[in-house]
Amino acid sequence: GIQVEQSPPDLILQEGANSTRRCNFSDSVNNLQWFHQNPWGQLINLFYIPSGTKQNGRLSATTVATERYSLLYISSSQTTDSGVYFCAVEQRETSGSRLTFGEGTQLTVNP
Amino acid sequence: DAGVTQSPTHLIKTRGQQVTLRCSPKSGHDTVSWYQQALGQGPQFIFQYYEEEERQRGNFPDRFSGHQFPNYSSELNVNALLLGDSALYLCASSSGPRAYEQYFGPGTRLTVT
Repeated sequence: GIQVEQSPPDLILQEGANSTRRCNFSDSVNNLQWFHQNPWGQLINLFYIPSGTKQNGRLSATTVATERYSLLYISSSQTTDSGVYFCAVEQRETSGSRLTFGEGTQLTVNP
Repeated sequence: DAGVTQSPTHLIKTRGQQVTLRCSPKSGHDTVSWYQQALGQGPQFIFQYYEEEERQRGNFPDRFSGHQFPNYSSELNVNALLLGDSALYLCASSSGPRAYEQYFGPGTRLTVT
């Protein structure tokens, strides 16, 4: 099956810092999503980004499908940004689809 | 706009028992997928339901089964619980089985003792 690798596994930042995390995938995918998992376990949709670049406030994401990677960038980090960031790719088959997740990047933002 | 809801929030069961988890999809969605997330790992796909049928299945044993009701809500059943079944169980909904974006519920945390 498809492999999804995220890096780095951990990021520790001071409030106000900028950071980038990367997602590599081993095969062609139909779509890609970035999620933030808060300390209570809720997965929050950040971006649905099969290709191109999107921005939402302090967050932006870029997917280069032909090179099989995506980047999530956070600027001016806040303590509320802490949590795990997951990349998930969608393989769409005849009867349905499934998301395959990476192992995540754990972000800690210190005040 | 009602989001994805799951019940119960937490559950403690004994090895060998059976458990049923429930999910109501986001308003306007008709497809439900279930994921298992072990501590420190990414979610793993269990199966997907659409039109009351299982459409896709991940690498999980037959002890894991599901059902979808006419109102699109879904249940996940796990029989003969093992200690390794302890995890956060996440439900996601989407508009169609080959959908663009999935939205997740808050999860059910299952502990097997």
